[in-house]
Amino acid sequence: NAGVTQTPKFQVLKTGQSMTLQCAQDMNHNSMYWYRQDPGMGLRLIYYSASEGTTDKGEVPNGYNVSRLNKREFSLRLESAAPSQTSVYFCATRQRLMNTEAFFGQGTRLTVV
Amino acid sequence: GQQLNQSPQSMFIQEGEDVSMNCTSSSIFNTWLWYKQDPGEGPVLLIALYKAGELTSNGRLTAQFGITRKDSFLNISASIPSDVGIYFCAGQAQGAQKLVFGQGTRLTINP
Repeated sequence: NAGVTQTPKFQVLKTGQSMTLQCAQDMNHNSMYWYRQDPGMGLRLIYYSASEGTTDKGEVPNGYNVSRLNKREFSLRLESAAPSQTSVYFCATRQRLMNTEAFFGQGTRLTVV
Repeated sequence: GQQLNQSPQSMFIQEGEDVSMNCTSSSIFNTWLWYKQDPGEGPVLLIALYKAGELTSNGRLTAQFGITRKDSFLNISASIPSDVGIYFCAGQAQGAQKLVFGQGTRLTINP
């Protein structure tokens, strides 16, 4: 039972390159989230998916796209990476949108040079 | 957007001391969650609170959902070296679809 699995764990990109961060969960949760964590700024929501087939913008969506591939998987894509996107990215899941706990993956540390 | 004010931002204590941190919001919340994050890891859930006034313990950790529904605190008793890390509060306002996170409290323990 792995919980929430993110790949890759580390990535270095050149400015303008694209990449997709993968997240998979085996908790049978309906809602999935992508956050970024920057020093001194806590966790900021990029996009979320309330349930399979739906996605919505969070607090900082610019420069990102997401795909809820199925109930288990939620990917985050950077089409043209910028140095400002250097951050640690976390995927999280919840059973439903409200009154439930969120469980996090181990994170992907992304550096854009 | 909604914001949580988490304090203190950092704490430097001696091993064995008790620790207290809190979060306040400008909105009424119906969920408070407390997390701990170790370096290079994702946040790990410590305690979840869903009712005003609720007091919940997890070992040496105790958290309370404030009666006004606008605050929550986390206490750690008799701190040990493995308590070092960053502690985050997270909350969800009534009717909101998303959690909001505090800025974190960095705990350092001197042996």
